[in-house]
Order: sequence, then structure tokens, then C-alpha cells
Amino acid sequence: DARVTQTPRDKVTEMGQEVTMRCQPILGHNTVFWYRQTMMQGLELLAYFRNRAPLDDSGMPKDRFSAEMPDATLATLKIQPSEPRDSAVYFCASAAGGAGYNEQFFGPGTRLTVL
Amino acid sequence: KNEVEQSPQNLTAQEGEFITINCSYSVGISALHWLQQHPGGGIVSLFMLSSGKKKHGRLIATINIQEKHSSLHITASHPRDSAVYICAVSGLDSGGSNYKLTFGKGTLLTVNP
Repeated sequence: DARVTQTPRDKVTEMGQEVTMRCQPILGHNTVFWYRQTMMQGLELLAYFRNRAPLDDSGMPKDRFSAEMPDATLATLKIQPSEPRDSAVYFCASAAGGAGYNEQFFGPGTRLTVL
Repeated sequence: KNEVEQSPQNLTAQEGEFITINCSYSVGISALHWLQQHPGGGIVSLFMLSSGKKKHGRLIATINIQEKHSSLHITASHPRDSAVYICAVSGLDSGGSNYKLTFGKGTLLTVNP
């Protein structure tokens, strides 16, 4: 059945290292989201794309984070350099369609630990 | 003060009980969302509503725009309903869609058999 996939599922890295998280949206979905979840802040929307173009990335720290969609089947979220405060679960989600709202389907998340 | 406040933070119920989770927000919105996060971490979108009431199975969501308040009700609760329930609000983005979500901290529901 169709689902959003994310890799890796778990990542442990040292402070200062580059981290790349990948997401494969559901085939045919043209809107892709990146979220971050921490115990302190809960869920936060980092950025989202429509038809591979960024529609809103106001929630994303610009100095170290970058999000891209190299093609319609792959979204990436990079952190360089990583810091301990980036430790969180990062979720990708995708949805079909344009204006209005269509149900978002979430991936299983990438649990990032920065030591 | 957070833009989205949920209550209670934690809720324990016995199987079969009627459950209510509340969400209040302080900003103008175009839609309100309820999501469910399972113990394993998976997130499911339950409802989006901008007025009135929506029902799906044993779940009912209501919203009062004037009072800036929404409730999620679960009838005949079951242990499998145990999860974190998250309220979120959205305003229209530049593309005319309701995807720019701001989340509450969630309500942890435990339903005991």
C-alpha cells in the first residue's frame, strides 16, 4: 500500500557533522512537508513544497538547515553543522492537490541524536 | 502564551467511557486540525474543520469559531484509542491552501481495559 518512507530511521552523530534525511512521498502527491518534534516544543512545521518548489520555509532555521526536492520522488533535509539542540524526531509528510486541504500522510520519522 | 492550548495534558479513562479533549486558540484561523499519534510514533490526520461538526466512526470533532474553541470526543472508548491527540490550527498560505499548521502540545490519552 502507498506510504511515505523516510531514511534513516535512526541517526546518531557527533556535533558538527552533516546530517541528511531523506523522504520518498506517496507517488502522485505534489505537496511535501518537513516537521520536527521535540519533547519541549512538540510538533513544528519546518518547510513545505508544492510541485518541488518551496511554498513556505519560515519555520526552518536558515543558517544550518536546508530542504530540497531534487525530483518528485525525493525530498531531503540537511543540517550542517549539526548541534545537540537539533536532536529530535523529523517527520516527512505528503499530500495530493493544491488549494484547500487534502489529508496529509506522515512518514515514520527519523530520530536524530546529536552528541 | 502558546497560540494553541490543549487540555487536559494527560487523561486516563476506563474502557467504554466518553472522552473529551479540548483545544483553544488565540489567533484567527481558517481551519483547525486534529491528529493522532500512536505510541510507536506514527501520526495520522483525523479531521480538518472550519465550522460545525464532523464525525468519523466513534470520533466527533466540533468547533466554535466565535469562542475559538474545539473539542474532540471519543464515544465508547477502547484501549486501542490510547494515543496522543494533537490539535493544530492553520491559516491560508500564499497558495490558498490550509497547510501552514501551528500545533498544540498534545493530550496523552490512556484507556484502560
